[in-house]
Amino acid sequence: KAGVTQTPRYLIKTRGQQVTLSCSPISGHRSVSWYQQTPGQGLQFLFEYFSETQRNKGNFPGRFSGRQFSNSRSEMNVSTLELGDSALYLCASSIDRGISGEAFFGQGTRLTVV
Amino acid sequence: GQQLNQSPQSMFIQEGEDVSMNCTSSSIFNTWLWYKQDPGEGPVLLIALYKAGELTSNGRLTAQFGITRKDSFLNISASIPSDVGIYFCAGLLYNQGGKLIFGQGTELSVKP
Repeated sequence: KAGVTQTPRYLIKTRGQQVTLSCSPISGHRSVSWYQQTPGQGLQFLFEYFSETQRNKGNFPGRFSGRQFSNSRSEMNVSTLELGDSALYLCASSIDRGISGEAFFGQGTRLTVV
Repeated sequence: GQQLNQSPQSMFIQEGEDVSMNCTSSSIFNTWLWYKQDPGEGPVLLIALYKAGELTSNGRLTAQFGITRKDSFLNISASIPSDVGIYFCAGLLYNQGGKLIFGQGTELSVKP
């Protein structure tokens, strides 16, 4: 069974640009969550999608957005990139919206903003 | 907001030693999860706990869900070099869907 797939693995962007990251969950999983990981702040929740609807949102500015498609694949977008957006962005998939609680992570996308 | 306090922040141990780390919170959690993360990779789920007092093992790993629902610990017995990495606890609050709250991590180094 394939795991969570995130693309691309690495990205270098210039300040002010925008970026789109992709996440394909485990087959059959309908919940996709996104996290930002930095050395200073650790793992911080961005948002969660379930059945194409955003069901939970963390404390990030509106420049961070996401969506989920009917096949449960998800994308997150960051507009007007800032240097502080450099981080490892992780996607996690779950069978449902937290009833089981088990979330499985992808390898992440390492975003560097210069 | 909700926070998880994980300790210790780092550990340097000899191969073969046992390791213990824990997480505490002022909030009551529905589920506790323990993850291990290697450099440049995503966290890998080690153990999931669902009931207060629950004790669960996965090979050399044992974790417990605290009776108060506000804490959890992870033990690793007879450590080996491949145990090196960062261990995270994560909690799931009731009615928060799939939003995981993470501890700050425990960095484990094992000397052969």
